[in-house]
Amino acid sequence: EDKVVQSPLSLVVHEGDTVTLNCSYEVTNFRSLLWYKQEKKAPTFLFMLTSSGIEKKSGRLSSILDKKELFSILNITATQTGDSAIYLCAVDLQGAQKLVFGQGTRLTINP
Amino acid sequence: DVKVTQSSRYLVKRTGEKVFLECVQDMDHENMFWYRQDPGLGLRLIYFSYDVKMKEKGDIPEGYSVSREKKERFSLILESASTNQTSMYLCASSSGQGTQYFGPGTRLLVL
Repeated sequence: EDKVVQSPLSLVVHEGDTVTLNCSYEVTNFRSLLWYKQEKKAPTFLFMLTSSGIEKKSGRLSSILDKKELFSILNITATQTGDSAIYLCAVDLQGAQKLVFGQGTRLTINP
Repeated sequence: DVKVTQSSRYLVKRTGEKVFLECVQDMDHENMFWYRQDPGLGLRLIYFSYDVKMKEKGDIPEGYSVSREKKERFSLILESASTNQTSMYLCASSSGQGTQYFGPGTRLLVL
């Protein structure tokens, strides 16, 4: 059975801290891994990763994929209260039209 | 920008009622999806559709049905709502390249 596991499930830090969110997967026919941010409503797309070792970066957020160890991390540096959200990891499978999602990490940034 | 809209943000229904949740996308995407999101369980796929009048069961289809009569519209139907169907329902669409675009969600409460 295809599985995506995120850790931690919940994290509370202070503004300015750096956080690392984890996503591991066990799937057949991996195609890509995606990260989404969900605030109060619709998840919004952050990154798509297809190749090992290549960092994707957007401002204070960055992500990298390790296809040998089957995991990805999402880093957020100099966190701000606006980074508070649920972060979702999902894996896209070859030959399937659907994503397999992890449980999500609820990140809370306190001022 | 891709736009996915859902007919209601909040719904309150009684046990046994028939419930329709509507989703419309404006990007001519082939694929559309219905998920439910519950705390600690992440997003779970209910049904998806890769073409008009085509549908596939996801991981938790029991108690639900879907309809896709037009490419831009995908409806989720709860034939006889039950309290365990109280949840956040998210619709998404994609062109088949992995990234899914989500609607704002419908928070359904079944009393």
